[in-house]
Amino acid sequence: KQEVTQIPAALSVPEGENLVLNCSFTDSAIYNLQWFRQDPGKGLTSLLLIQSSQREQTSGRLNASLDKSSGRSTLYIAASQPGDSATYLCAVIWNQAGTALIFGKGTTLSVSS
Amino acid sequence: DAGVTQSPTHLIKTRGQQVTLRCSPISGHKSVSWYQQVLGQGPQFIFQYYEKEERGRGNFPDRFSARQFPNYSSELNVNALLLGDSALYLCASSLGRGFTNEQFFGPGTRLTVL
Repeated sequence: KQEVTQIPAALSVPEGENLVLNCSFTDSAIYNLQWFRQDPGKGLTSLLLIQSSQREQTSGRLNASLDKSSGRSTLYIAASQPGDSATYLCAVIWNQAGTALIFGKGTTLSVSS
Repeated sequence: DAGVTQSPTHLIKTRGQQVTLRCSPISGHKSVSWYQQVLGQGPQFIFQYYEKEERGRGNFPDRFSARQFPNYSSELNVNALLLGDSALYLCASSLGRGFTNEQFFGPGTRLTVL
């Protein structure tokens, strides 16, 4: 069964700290992996999309890496700010035709000032 | 440019009723997908439509149905509502068919079933 796991479920850090969110997935034959941000009760905002042929993607203070062989992706957030407080979701598309985005349960990040 | 829009924002229904949720994709996007997100969980795939045809279906009962219109907007219908249908319903759009393109999500419709 294709599954996505995110650990930890929750994380609290002081402002300014660099942090890493983890995502692991079964079955390394992925097509792409996407990181999203979700504010409470709101929709999902796409942060980064990594194709299976790529090793990392960067956007501002965010950097996402992909290691297919180990079934892992990390989202690195530099110099965290209180505005970064949200739930971060990792989602994977596998190569199998007709497969939808499979989401992890997310990591809820709280950045204190 | 406007992002994905969904209506209504919130909805309260009672068990056994029927509900219709609406989604308008980003201009130029031809694919629309629907997801259900219950509290504390990641979204779960319900349907994907491309060019008005169903391209994928998740593990949901037949009470759930959807369609896509010529302007690429979409409706999700849920019949015979159950308490367990209470969730945030998310719509996502992408440029092409299949799930290989970046997905952009709308703000969601919060459905409460009493």
